[in-house]
Order: sequence, then structure tokens, then C-alpha cells
Amino acid sequence: QKEVEQDPGPLSVPEGAIVSLNCTYSNSAFQYFMWYRQYSRKGPELLMYTYSSGNKEDGRFTAQVDKSSKYISLFIRDSQPSDSATYLCAMAMVKAAGNKLTFGGGTRVLVKP
Amino acid sequence: EADIYQTPRYLVIGTGKKITLECSQTMGHDKMYWYQQDPGMELHLIHYSYGVNSTEKGDLSSESTVSRIRTEHFPLTLESARPSHTSQYLCASSEYDSQNEQFFGPGTRLTVL
Repeated sequence: QKEVEQDPGPLSVPEGAIVSLNCTYSNSAFQYFMWYRQYSRKGPELLMYTYSSGNKEDGRFTAQVDKSSKYISLFIRDSQPSDSATYLCAMAMVKAAGNKLTFGGGTRVLVKP
Repeated sequence: EADIYQTPRYLVIGTGKKITLECSQTMGHDKMYWYQQDPGMELHLIHYSYGVNSTEKGDLSSESTVSRIRTEHFPLTLESARPSHTSQYLCASSEYDSQNEQFFGPGTRLTVL
């Protein structure tokens, strides 16, 4: 069983819709939770970063962490065609040697104009 | 402009050839990483470095080797390429005190025939 599970998609939505992405994980030692966005033929870029449980909002993006359920989510409001990309969740333990991140496989999102 | 660079972006090579994938960053980061990513799959850490003359193997076993003679430079070498090495290789870096924000290069897509 993978430590981090993520639906590969693709998730296709019309422009302006809310995009809902999630990951589940099995390792209760994870304390740091991140969402990366990866455009085609590019490297991932950090979108959101959350420590422990709770919500975090940044513009159109909201990240939620529910440690009791081992479940994290990313919501994109008023989605735009430029949001079309693969979204990767990533996690780390408090004192991860070498800052090792454990990634999900990514969900491909298509926002249609 | 501070950035992280990878060359070549694409490489098609025959079996048995020696190859070196270049990675350079201009951000002065101490920590650097190499990941391997297959289409639709997770990023897997294959090598990391805390600083000059420091290299460690990651979670995924790899026949590649790395060196860190200068802070800004972290090349990856395959002595004898095989078709099983076909993949995308991503280089990343982070500040020494940063827990989890890793900055990624654009990647090198390697195809071994």
C-alpha cells in the first residue's frame, strides 16, 4: 500500500467551477502538508503549505488538513483555464532527515473555457 | 534572477552510454535533491545533499551517482545507460533551515533506446 494515495484523474471542470482535490495518507507521523502544481514539461512549484490540522486560504486556493481522518484537500475557487495542470500533494514528518517529502501521484486537472 | 536550471531538457541515447545530467541553482541553497518521476506516478527521491561534499541515497534505489563539489552544482551520472533508466529526472533545492519548500528545475526527460 502506498503511503500517500491520490486519484490520478483527469478531473475536467468548466471555467468558474470549484475544483476539489484530495489525498489520503497512512503515516500518522506526517505533520507538514503541501500542494504542488506541475504544468506540462515543467517542474513542480509549491502552491500551499500547512502545518498540522486546519485550514489555510491564499487567494482562490484553500487547503484543508484533517489529521484524524488522514485526509487533506485543496479547493480552487473560480477556476481558470490557466489552472489546468497536475496537482501533487506532498507530506513530511517533523524531523524528516534531508527534508524528505513523500508525494502523491498527482491529479490532472483540466479547466475548459 | 534566482533560479534552478537543468540541462539537457531532453536526451535520447543508446544503451551502454555514459550520461551526466546537469543541475545548477543560483539561490545559494545548501540542500539539493534528485527525483525520478514516471508519467502519472509519484516523485521518488533518488539522491540528496546537505551541502558541499555531502551526498546521500534516497528512498528509491538508483544506479546513478551524484557529486557535490560546489554549492550551486549537483550533477547526476549514469555510467552505463539502460532502457530501464528511461524516465524524467527532476532536480530541486531548498534552504538549509527550510523544512519543506523545495524549488524544482524543469526536469530532464531521458530516453534510453
